[in-house]
Amino acid sequence: GDSVTQTEGQVALSEEDFLTIHCNYSASGYPALFWYVQYPGEGPQFLFRASRDKEKGSSRGFEATYNKEATSFHLQKASVQESDSAVYYCALSEFNTGKLTFGDGTVLTVKP
Amino acid sequence: NAGVIQTPRHKVTGKGQEATLWCEPISGHSAVFWYRQTIVQGLEFLTYFRNQAPIDDSGMPKERFSAQMPNQSHSTLKIQSTQPQDSAVYLCASSLVWGGSDTQYFGPGTRLLVL
Repeated sequence: GDSVTQTEGQVALSEEDFLTIHCNYSASGYPALFWYVQYPGEGPQFLFRASRDKEKGSSRGFEATYNKEATSFHLQKASVQESDSAVYYCALSEFNTGKLTFGDGTVLTVKP
Repeated sequence: NAGVIQTPRHKVTGKGQEATLWCEPISGHSAVFWYRQTIVQGLEFLTYFRNQAPIDDSGMPKERFSAQMPNQSHSTLKIQSTQPQDSAVYLCASSLVWGGSDTQYFGPGTRLLVL
């Protein structure tokens, strides 16, 4: 079946540091790729998506580029803030159904 | 737009009791999804409706879990004879249309604790 791998389980940074969270996927078809962010006590919030190779998604200073050859969709932000502290999930969507398969999540902690 | 509404936000049941969870999707959205979130398993797909019709329940535990969507404004997830391993956050999501690239918007979840 389809799967998503996030390399980092936890990331600790200081404000204004550069962020990278690695996401690789395995899928039989040509999935859409998503990043979601989850704050305590809330459901996952949509951050952005990309649907085709080389497409860049972005929102709130976060960005990722769909790389079909490398099967990757790495999340980056140039300068993180304390308010970015949350859990970040990479996900893929099955083409026919839209069913989401999530990675294990990455806990981002940003210290002031 | 109120977003996806889920009730109750928290529910505590005794082992063997029944639990019913409610979801109101975003108005006008044609697809509704249910997921379960636990520390051990992460976020897992349970079931999916399109225009109120059940499409895929491949993630549902077969014997005690059932889901319905009697009208376009709400869906229910029912767990019979709850067990401690059913303790989780149950998340409902909706999307405007069905299909791979459409965005799913999640509710806040119902935290179920089975004692």
